[in-house]
Amino acid sequence: EAQVTQNPRYLITVTGKKLTVTCSQNMNHEYMSWYRQDPGLGLRQIYYSMNVEVTDKGDVPEGYKVSRKEKRNFPLILESPSPNQTSLYFCASSPYLGSGTTYEQYFGPGTRLTVT
Amino acid sequence: ELKVEQNPLFLSMQEGKNYTIYCNYSTTSDRLYWYRQDPGKSLESLFVLLSNGAVKQEGRLMASLDTKARLSTLHITAAVHDLSATYFCAVEEEYGNKLVFGAGTILRVKS
Repeated sequence: EAQVTQNPRYLITVTGKKLTVTCSQNMNHEYMSWYRQDPGLGLRQIYYSMNVEVTDKGDVPEGYKVSRKEKRNFPLILESPSPNQTSLYFCASSPYLGSGTTYEQYFGPGTRLTVT
Repeated sequence: ELKVEQNPLFLSMQEGKNYTIYCNYSTTSDRLYWYRQDPGKSLESLFVLLSNGAVKQEGRLMASLDTKARLSTLHITAAVHDLSATYFCAVEEEYGNKLVFGAGTILRVKS
């Protein structure tokens, strides 16, 4: 089954304790992206990757890191989480069509993160 | 900078009525997507609109795109309770590789 998976689905942690949220897709998509969803703000892009070893900042990258060492995986790293990073996080993937265009994105199930 | 505005942000509808959700965006783009999100769930793709004048229909939902006006509409015909969800439009930045979402419209259909 074609899907995007995220782990963990729920996480409660404390300020400053490094964490990683994993994302994996089995559709051979070139493009992958991380979003955070906060009430009234929709989804905001954190980082995206157009292919292996190619990553770029989205609209809200501060406090986050990513890496893309393999095509299927795109982990999100919070080196020193703070309470303002409490949010619902979604990973997504899509084919990359070239010339700066992608196609519809397929979303993972979400990771609800609480930082106390 | 691309900005995307949806309105209304909250819509309470009676079953059987028609209504329209609007999605305006601020810079040139000809790629727009509509997604649905049920409470506690992920986003599900509804429509992909890739050119000016594109119109797509699925059941009681119809989406259209006017790139000159920088406007997309999601029209709901004869609403039913199953349509209750949050609807997002998302616009792809031209040559920017980024997708910018609207704030979402919470739709509640009352019987």
